Amino acid sequence: SQELEQSPQSLIVQEGKNLTINCTSSKTLYGLYWYKQKYGEGLIFLMMLQKGGEEKSHEKITAKLDEKKQQSSLHITASQPSHAGIYLCGADPNAGGTSYGKLTFGQGTILTVHP
Amino acid sequence: NAGVTQTPKFQVLKTGQSMTLQCAQDMNHEYMSWYRQDPGMGLRLIHYSVGAGITDQGEVPNGYNVSRSTTEDFPLRLLSAAPSQTSVYFCASSYRGYLDEQFFGPGTRLTVL
Repeated sequence: SQELEQSPQSLIVQEGKNLTINCTSSKTLYGLYWYKQKYGEGLIFLMMLQKGGEEKSHEKITAKLDEKKQQSSLHITASQPSHAGIYLCGADPNAGGTSYGKLTFGQGTILTVHP
Repeated sequence: NAGVTQTPKFQVLKTGQSMTLQCAQDMNHEYMSWYRQDPGMGLRLIHYSVGAGITDQGEVPNGYNVSRSTTEDFPLRLLSAAPSQTSVYFCASSYRGYLDEQFFGPGTRLTVL
């Protein structure tokens, strides 16, 4: 079965600093999702990557999927306290229609941003 | 559009009690899933459904039952609660089931004493 490893497990940064969170898979990634979670709340979809080398951005958050489709990174530029939370990567476990709406998740990265 | 709703938000049970966590979505999504979230372990899949009347087990199904009589509802039943089932439970739904955003509910925080 597919395993996703996130690093680091936790991160504390000063407001304004850049940071990167990594998600490494034991198998080829068919669809890679990034979600953000605030404490006590549900998951908020950030973006999905599908193709090797793909890069997507939303406001100050950029996510990339490497060419070999086994690693993704999430980069936050000029971090703000509003970026604080838990970041989770998730992946479709199979190619094509056999994923059936299931996702495999990494263990999450806890981000703290000090003003 | 309410999206994915879950009730209750919090619940405390005693060991051996049974209960049902409710999940509903109003987006006409065929694919629905239940996950549990434990510290340092991300989300783990409990059960999932690909449409009304069709369910299957995920990674950690023991101690849980599901059924899907309608497209909208996907309840999760704890048969005999155990302390190991203390967790936060999330319900999710998606339209295509692959390369498609999953919409998550706000979660149910369950404590089993």
